[in-house]
Amino acid sequence: NAGVTQTPKFQVLKTGQSMTLQCAQDMNHEYMSWYRQDPGMGLRLIHYSVGAGITDQGEVPNGYNVSRSTTEDFPLRLLSAAPSQTSVYFCASSSGQPAYEQYFGPGTRLTVT
Amino acid sequence: AQSVAQPEDQVNVAEGNPLTVKCTYSVSGNPYLFWYVQYPNRGLQFLLKYITGDNLVKGSYGFEAEFNKSQTSFHLKKPSALVSDSALYFCAVRGSGGSYIPTFGRGTSLIVHP
Repeated sequence: NAGVTQTPKFQVLKTGQSMTLQCAQDMNHEYMSWYRQDPGMGLRLIHYSVGAGITDQGEVPNGYNVSRSTTEDFPLRLLSAAPSQTSVYFCASSSGQPAYEQYFGPGTRLTVT
Repeated sequence: AQSVAQPEDQVNVAEGNPLTVKCTYSVSGNPYLFWYVQYPNRGLQFLLKYITGDNLVKGSYGFEAEFNKSQTSFHLKKPSALVSDSALYFCAVRGSGGSYIPTFGRGTSLIVHP
């Protein structure tokens, strides 16, 4: 199993550009989520999904869109990048049952200039 | 609403000494509690979890955690710290009330000095 994969590892964008961060998992997990990690802020939930076709907003959803057309994939779209979106982004997946831990991808480091 | 507090931004300990990283939580229903570790430039890795049963949970790399229901705490411990334990540690909680969404603490940076 590859676990949770994320691409790209690094990305530099100019303000106003759009892009998609890819996330895929091969563990047949129902639950997938996107977090951003900023110094001193811990992990903040952007969007999450409890199954294919079902998504919902987390703590900091503005400026981001998601979709979940398959169980495996959960892409995160930045609509019009802003310097405030400079961060490290992590995708995670888990079984839908609360007793199960999450599996995290290696992260995407995004810089918006 | 559920919440997690990690009261220390940083914990310093000498190699060979015991370490404790603190976590307290608030949740509806029975808690499912987790510890994760993040090494530099890596994603989070699962260390251990409490579901039910014994209050002392053993996990990876010699770590253990003690669940205390009356104090709503889940402190991470290790009897003898290694320099290689230096990392960022996150506590997380999921409630049994049906929420899929785990809540994470802000993280504690553990620094083990040689």
